[in-house]
Amino acid sequence: QVQLQESGPGLVKPSQTLSLTCNVSGASISSGAYFWSWIRQHPGKGLEWIGYINHRGGTYYNPSLKSRVSISVDTSKNLFSLKLTSVTAADTAVYYCARGARDGTYYVPVDYWGQGTLVTVSS
Amino acid sequence: QSVLTQPPSVSGTPGQRVTISCSGSNSNIGTNYVYWYQQLPRTAPKLLIYGDNQRPSGVPDRFSGSKSGTSASLAISGLRSEDEADYYCAAWDDNLSGVVVFGGGTKLTVL
Repeated sequence: QVQLQESGPGLVKPSQTLSLTCNVSGASISSGAYFWSWIRQHPGKGLEWIGYINHRGGTYYNPSLKSRVSISVDTSKNLFSLKLTSVTAADTAVYYCARGARDGTYYVPVDYWGQGTLVTVSS
Repeated sequence: QSVLTQPPSVSGTPGQRVTISCSGSNSNIGTNYVYWYQQLPRTAPKLLIYGDNQRPSGVPDRFSGSKSGTSASLAISGLRSEDEADYYCAAWDDNLSGVVVFGGGTKLTVL
């Protein structure tokens, strides 16, 4: 059974860096069949794609966040991480880590989600 | 402002059939597959439809997807109270260098 679990501080001060980790079990983060994403949801709002990293370490970021975002992978620990710099109150959201899958002709954006973690930006 | 456009809300009574629309452009829906996600209250989203009209294992055949041009639809037949949730469409966007775009979400209320 594939499981993803986010971890990290629930409170970050303005101008600081938001750092989250996603521990993956039940799937190898090194597999070429998958890619690993971060998605966020502002309170009471819709979903926003932050970016993803593939098995080769290639990264793809939402242009609206690209200058502040970094996603990395630790294959030895089977986890991946998100860093978002210079945060403001507008970055307060539930952050989801997720697995995407290449299935034949389909590139499924997300087939498994973490439970999500609320990060509040406040002094 | 979401790249894909969905109605904010739809409603129906048990047993009824409802549809949720999702409108995009040539760079996303017009060129790439559409995916649908269901988000029950206070939970993470769940994949409902992939590849425009394919259901993952375990998703009831009451849920179906379709696409025409730059628009897509999710249909739910035999509406049940447990279908009350938020529904999101999604697609890869060729203009945004490998980014997925979502609709703003549609709240389905079962009356």
